[in-house]
Order: sequence, then structure tokens, then C-alpha cells
Amino acid sequence: AQSVTQPDIHITVSEGASLELRCNYSYGATPYLFWYVQSPGQGLQLLLKYFSGDTLVQGIKGFEAEFKRSQSSFNLRKPSVHWSDAAEYFCAVGASRGSTLGRLYFGRGTQLTVWP
Amino acid sequence: DGGITQSPKYLFRKEGQNVTLSCEQNLNHDAMYWYRQDPGQGLRLIYYSQIVNDFQKGDIAEGYSVSREKKESFPLTVTSAQKNPTAFYLCASSGGGLEQFFGPGTRLTVL
Repeated sequence: AQSVTQPDIHITVSEGASLELRCNYSYGATPYLFWYVQSPGQGLQLLLKYFSGDTLVQGIKGFEAEFKRSQSSFNLRKPSVHWSDAAEYFCAVGASRGSTLGRLYFGRGTQLTVWP
Repeated sequence: DGGITQSPKYLFRKEGQNVTLSCEQNLNHDAMYWYRQDPGQGLRLIYYSQIVNDFQKGDIAEGYSVSREKKESFPLTVTSAQKNPTAFYLCASSGGGLEQFFGPGTRLTVL
């Protein structure tokens, strides 16, 4: 069964520091992977996605993520965090085939706090 | 402007009442989804529809109902059978790709 684990419930970093949010997935076939960001009381915004090809993908707002098949991971990174990056971040895996094609399975989220 | 709208933004329900949450999209997307979000639990799928007049149960469909009579609309009814309906509800849609686009959400509170 498909599942996503985000091991860190809450991360705090100082503004200007680098950031890495962890995501591990379980899926039997080639996964489609996503990172979304959510500000309080808002909907989710897509940061980046991986379908195939280059395993390092670039997204909006200076974020990037690297797909590592051997580790079943899709970690999100940013070299220098800004105070406006404080939000909740969700990793998701999409079913690429079968009866659940089109469904996304979300992790429980990582809350990011940024100190000035 | 293309996008997904949800209304109302805040909704209050008395115990025993049914309420309907609206979701409309003008992206010409075939698929639409309803999620429930509770603190620390991520997003859980309630119902989804990949085509008009067809929908499937997600992981937590009990106490909810949907309809998909038009491509652009996917309303969710929270029935009195849903014992703990207080939550943040998110609607999403997707087109040819797998990425989903989300509306701004409706916060439902049971009084």
C-alpha cells in the first residue's frame, strides 16, 4: 500500500540557514512525488513535482528536492530560508497506475518555524 | 482567472444537521477530490470523482456524501451520521497530469 512518512513534525531554523525536510515513501511502482506548502488557514500550493528523468527537481520559491530510489526518499531543500517560508509542508506520493490512478497519499506534514 | 473556489470559508453546524460545502472549478479539470484535514494528521481523502456522474469513496467516506452532476462542481454534504465533523475541508482538482490544485478550504465547526 502507498504511504508517506515525514519523520519531523516540527522544525525550527534561523533565517538564512539551510533547510532540509525529510520524506520517505512506500510504493510498489515508479512513484510520482510532490511537495506542497500550506500557510495557516489556506489551501495547499504545489512547490515541485517529480515524475521521471532528472532526480534533482527545481521548484518555486527557491526550493529543490532530490529523488533517491535506493532510499525511497524525496527530501526537500532550500539553501537559505526566509521568514516567509514559515508554513506547513506536505510530501505526497501519487499512484502511477492501477485502480487508484490519480490519487495522492499525503504525509502528516512538517511545521516549519523560522527565527529572525 | 482560473481556479478553485470553496464556499463558505467558515461554516457552523448544530448537532444533527446536514450541511453542504461547495466546490467549483473553472480549470476544465475532469477529476475532483475532497479531503479532510485535522491537526497533525495530514490530508485524508473523503471522496473523489474522475468523471461526471461517477465518484468513489476515499479512506474516510462514512458520514459524507457527494454528487457530480456537472464537470465544474463537486459539492460535499456532511451528514448527521458524521460524529466528529469539526475540521478543515479542502477541495482539489486535477487535469491531465497527476498534480492536484487546491481550493482555499472551508472550516466547519460543530456547535
